[in-house]
Amino acid sequence: DTGVSQDPRHKITKRGQNVTFRCDPISEHNRLYWYRQTLGQGPEFLTYFQNEAQLEKSRLLSDRFSAERPKGSFSTLEIQRTEQGDSAMYLCASSSTGGNTEAFFGQGTRLTVV
Amino acid sequence: AQKVTQAQTEISVVEKEDVTLDCVYETRDTTYYLFWYKQPPSGELVFLIRRNSFDEQNEISGRYSWNFQKSTSSFNFTITASQVVDSAVYFCALREAGNQGGKLIFGQGTELSVKP
Repeated sequence: DTGVSQDPRHKITKRGQNVTFRCDPISEHNRLYWYRQTLGQGPEFLTYFQNEAQLEKSRLLSDRFSAERPKGSFSTLEIQRTEQGDSAMYLCASSSTGGNTEAFFGQGTRLTVV
Repeated sequence: AQKVTQAQTEISVVEKEDVTLDCVYETRDTTYYLFWYKQPPSGELVFLIRRNSFDEQNEISGRYSWNFQKSTSSFNFTITASQVVDSAVYFCALREAGNQGGKLIFGQGTELSVKP
């Protein structure tokens, strides 16, 4: 295990469909983050987990979005009834506990809603 | 409110030129952490450096150097003798110690293009 992995790398879906993304963090990291990045912008925080507990959610995370991290290992991000505005890169990151640590990012899942 | 501003949207240089990427931040916390990440076309954000608010020493790592100045709330990044492989989008980010979760606040990024 050399880093954070995300699956799939690309997803094209029709408006109104549900999609689910998976993130496998670095195994010894207890924190896991989801970010969204649109073209020409920096990543924006969506939510984070410490172990299996979801401790913070951004206002960006509408009711159509749900994230889980069962057993504190991998995480899934589901978007229900996708809209064209959901098209973005979804990035997952993991880190150890503490402010003085860096987060390591996966390669992201690029979602296109047509 | 916390905020990171990278005023330079795009920079284009010729190989071997030096280039400085600017980053200005806003925070009310007295303890915070600053980061630089590189995002190549593959999409993965690659960690470059972390700086603590109580450590204003500048840092040099090979061709990379960082200048942290609390008086101007800036954390600038200089690449010396740039190379084509340095072409990427660079992000500056802030983490406030008061935020228990450790989320990062990113700037909009600076796209650096190094031409041969």
